[in-house]
Parts: sequence; C-alpha cells; structure tokens
Amino acid sequence: ETGVTQTPRHLVMGMTNKKSLKCEQHLGHNAMYWYKQSAKKPLELMFVYSLEERVENNSVPSRFSPECPNSSHLFLHLHTLQPEDSALYLCASSQDISSNEKLFFGSGTQLSVL
Amino acid sequence: TQLLEQSPQFLSIQEGENLTVYCNSSSVFSSLQWYRQEPGEGPVLLVTVVTGGEVKKLKRLTFQFGDARKDSSLHITAAQPGDTGLYLCAGEWDTGNQFYFGTGTSLTVIP
Repeated sequence: ETGVTQTPRHLVMGMTNKKSLKCEQHLGHNAMYWYKQSAKKPLELMFVYSLEERVENNSVPSRFSPECPNSSHLFLHLHTLQPEDSALYLCASSQDISSNEKLFFGSGTQLSVL
Repeated sequence: TQLLEQSPQFLSIQEGENLTVYCNSSSVFSSLQWYRQEPGEGPVLLVTVVTGGEVKKLKRLTFQFGDARKDSSLHITAAQPGDTGLYLCAGEWDTGNQFYFGTGTSLTVIP
C-alpha cells in the first residue's frame, strides 16, 4: 500500500459509544494531522503531530482524543460525541511541519452521530 | 482566525467551456495552495504558489497569485467531466506554519 489510509471509511455511532478512527501513512513522513470537514464550512485543523509529539491542538473538545504511537500511525478516539460532530474526518501527513509543506490526505472517515 | 473566501460556491458548466474560480483574503499570504477533492476522497494538492504575480500552469489549469499576495485564481480551459470536484484553496500566513482552508468551489462539468 502507498499513501495515507484511513479506516473505517464510514462510521455510525450513538452519543454514548466509544470508537476510534485509524490513520496509517506509508510515505515516511514526520508530521500527521487530523482535519474535520463539515458541510459549508472550511476544513478545520484539529491536531498536529510532529515526530509523535503533539504540536497543535486547536481548541478541540475533550471528547476527541488523539494518539500517535509512532510516526506512521495516528488515531482519533471518540467518546460521548454530539450530533453536530457528524462530519468527514480527514487524516493527512507531510514530510515535516515547516512552511509550504505538501499535505497528503487520506480518503476520510464519514462519521454520523445519532 | 484568518478568513479565506472562495467564489463562486457552486459552478455548473458544459464540457468545453472555460471557467475561473477565486480565492480572496484581507491578509497577505506567505504561500497558497490549491487542492481538488473528488467525491468520497481526500483533497489532492494541485499547486503551491509563493511569489506575488506568479503564474503556474498544469495542463489546462492556470493558477495565478495576486501581486499583493492576498488573492489567487484558478482558470480551467476547455473543462472536462473529469474536472468535476471541490476546489479548495489553502493559505498560509506569516503568523505560523498552519494552512487555513476556504470553503471551496464545487464544480460540475456536464458532458
């Protein structure tokens, strides 16, 4: 496999469930990102990891919990979500977090919270 | 929060027509990127522009960065159905290394 792979592609969960989104990159990149894409809204950067350390947390509610066990894997743990959290969650990677970096995106997980 | 406006929001044209979409900000970008996102997929980078007045061409796509580095345009010549998708611009300001995305222009090219 090449590129950035996200699983699952689709997820439906209730507000009391706990689930996790998984992202894996096979590009040898040092930086990984979680973005949220909602209808009629710009992509929102949620978290940034560089060399497995979190370097950015854009005021994301604590019901979203990221984990980066190594430079190739990134998780987003979800618990007690709200219906307004329904969106496409995109993972991306880049060689580093310096300026002008090219982002490589996965296909996303389409999340529906009931 | 920096604001990036894209226009038009939606565009539906016939195959073979030309079109231009725009990305504007009130602030100066240090660099700007254009992405295309097809349904069910993540965005794919098309181009990065960094110099005011810069013009880059990618086959039938022409990207222009404004002289003042506050705006950019994407022009497609002789659009094809394969050009259908959501076109996103993402700007980086000198305040940090984070790219902020616009809401996108959804393009449909009708055969």
